[in-house]
Amino acid sequence: DQQVKQNSPSLSVQEGRISILNCDYTNSMFDYFLWYKKYPAEGPTFLISISSIKDKNEDGRFTVFLNKSAKHLSLHIVPSQPGDSAVYFCAASVRNEKLTFGTGTRLTIIP
Amino acid sequence: EPEVTQTPSHQVTQMGQEVILRCVPISNHLYFYWYRQILGQKVEFLVSFYNNEISEKSEIFDDQFSVERPDGSNFTLKIRSTKLEDSAMYFCASSLIRQGGYTFGSGTRLTVV
Repeated sequence: DQQVKQNSPSLSVQEGRISILNCDYTNSMFDYFLWYKKYPAEGPTFLISISSIKDKNEDGRFTVFLNKSAKHLSLHIVPSQPGDSAVYFCAASVRNEKLTFGTGTRLTIIP
Repeated sequence: EPEVTQTPSHQVTQMGQEVILRCVPISNHLYFYWYRQILGQKVEFLVSFYNNEISEKSEIFDDQFSVERPDGSNFTLKIRSTKLEDSAMYFCASSLIRQGGYTFGSGTRLTVV
């Protein structure tokens, strides 16, 4: 079951630059998308979400873009900070039923 | 900031034994969830719970699993007869409204030996 895919297992970005994390999905019924951040030995922490009726949502340094025709979403973090180093998961749901998670991308911010 | 509390943080149990994983969701939240993550794999949905009943469950959530909200504050996951493949990190989550980001607990690492 690969309905939500994060093809980059890891990403390194210099501090102050933009981090772009990508996520693709196959289920066209998904109507709500979320990004979570996870530190070791902690649970996922909700970052930002977007409904399928929008193509962009912004919250401080975090912006999520949704391209429904390409079934692709991305998370932009700008500027990247050392505390942003974590594993980032995208997740999707249909009518906010269960979340289907991607496999995660480990983001490392290089000072 | 309110948080979801899970106990214990780590549980080791013998195959075939029953385990109960405990969670205290955020007090005014109405929707409750269990997810798990087997080492190196995705976070997977197990079950959602609302209004004192299961609202959805995955194919993983078979007859060996059950959930309960025995009082106004606790939310438990019971595995009746554990198998080696039940070894995973189990996350409890809660939310106030149906749509939105859940708040996850820090998880219970279950090791079945």
